[in-house]
Amino acid sequence: QKEVEQNSGPLSVPEGAIASLNCTYSDRGSQSFFWYRQYSGKSPELIMFIYSNGDKEDGRFTAQLNKASQYVSLLIRDSQPSDSATYLCAVSSSASKIIFGSGTRLSIRP
Amino acid sequence: NAGVMQNPRHLVRRRGQEARLRCSPMKGHSHVYWYRQLPEEGLKFMVYLQKENIIDESGMPKERFSAEFPKEGPSILRIQQVVRGDSAAYFCASSPGTGDSPLHFGNGTRLTVT
Repeated sequence: QKEVEQNSGPLSVPEGAIASLNCTYSDRGSQSFFWYRQYSGKSPELIMFIYSNGDKEDGRFTAQLNKASQYVSLLIRDSQPSDSATYLCAVSSSASKIIFGSGTRLSIRP
Repeated sequence: NAGVMQNPRHLVRRRGQEARLRCSPMKGHSHVYWYRQLPEEGLKFMVYLQKENIIDESGMPKERFSAEFPKEGPSILRIQQVVRGDSAAYFCASSPGTGDSPLHFGNGTRLTVT
């Protein structure tokens, strides 16, 4: 079992709709969870981080964490073509190293 | 520019040569991570360092690869006797503290082995 799992996609969403990206992790001791966006040929950039169960909102982005289910998600409201990218879920393991999933490719169609 | 600085941006090496990748963390950051990324794949953890200390190198191959983060100067990822399979993008990221802190990434070094 991979430490951090994501559906590779591509996930295609019409412009203006909600994009939902999911991630599961295996280490129950994980405490910190991050979402990064990576455009092709570029470095990852941080979108959000979440530490507690529940929802955390920042503009059009909402991160959701459920530690009991070992599940973290990212919702993007009012999707824009500029949101088309690969989204990487990252989890801080109990050993403090940060492990990334393989990423979900998101495509927003006009 | 107070961001994470990596150099060189592009590095071409012939098989058997050595590659040295450098990373200067953001000001005030004392933790450095190195990741490798193959095309169309995610970031694979290699090593996590603090100043003068390797915290976790479980993702780094035992042979040919080494990393350091000296008291003064940048962190160095060194690959000896490179092979074609080492061709990848190598990203460095830094943080101010433990794994609870988000990582800030450099622009990466694209290594090509010919």
